[in-house]
Amino acid sequence: EAGVAQSPRYKIIEKRQSVAFWCNPISGHATLYWYQQILGQGPKLLIQFQNNGVVDDSQLPKDRFSAERLKGVDSTLKIQPAKLEDSAVYLCASSPDANYGYTFGSGTRLTVV
Amino acid sequence: GQNIDQPTEMTATEGAIVQINCTYQTSGFNGLFWYQQHAGEAPTFLSYNVLDGLEEKGRFSSFLSRSKGYSYLLLKELQMKDSASYLCAVLEGPSGGYNKLIFGAGTRLAVHP
Repeated sequence: EAGVAQSPRYKIIEKRQSVAFWCNPISGHATLYWYQQILGQGPKLLIQFQNNGVVDDSQLPKDRFSAERLKGVDSTLKIQPAKLEDSAVYLCASSPDANYGYTFGSGTRLTVV
Repeated sequence: GQNIDQPTEMTATEGAIVQINCTYQTSGFNGLFWYQQHAGEAPTFLSYNVLDGLEEKGRFSSFLSRSKGYSYLLLKELQMKDSASYLCAVLEGPSGGYNKLIFGAGTRLAVHP
C-alpha cells in the first residue's frame, strides 16, 4: 500500500511569512495527526483528526497555526505568521483508528530565517 | 499529563547487545510503542506492548512493566545500520475520548566498529 505522502519536502521562509504543508494519508485511515519535531527532540503532537473532525488540538498554537482535513482525507497545516522557533520538521501520520498502527510520512523540514 | 524519560545518548559496539530504558508517568495508559528514526527520516514502527512481559521480534525485543511504568528496548547483534534515534512513545487515552501517541525525547544510539 502507498505510504503517507507529504509535501513539500523542504521549505525556507523568512519570519512573518506564511507557509502551508500538505498531507495525504494512507487510504482508508480515519485518524490523521500532525506532529512538530524540533531538532534533538521527540515529536510533539499538534493536532489530531478523526475523519474530518478535530479531536485534540490542545498543543496547537492557535494564534498562528491552523489545520484542516477536508472530506476526511487530505490535510493541510498552515503557519501565519511564522516565527524563528517554528523551525522544525513537521510530520504527518495516519492510522486506521486511534489505538495503534501509526504510519509517518517523510516530513517537511521548515527553516525560518 | 505525561512524562516520558529515556537516556539522551548511548554508544555500543558492533555485534554487542544494548538495552534502552524508558520510564513513564501518564494517565489512561493504553500501550507503549518503540520507534526507530534515522537522521532526516520519519519514525518507523519497531514494537508495541500493552501487556506486561517481553515481545520478541528478530534482533529486537521490548519489555513492559505497567506497575513500574517501565519499558526497555533490547537490540542484539548490533549492526552499524542500527545507529539511529530510538523513540519511546506512550498511547494515552482519556476516558471516553480518543487515544493519542505521546513521544519521549528519544535516545541517540551510536554503534561503533
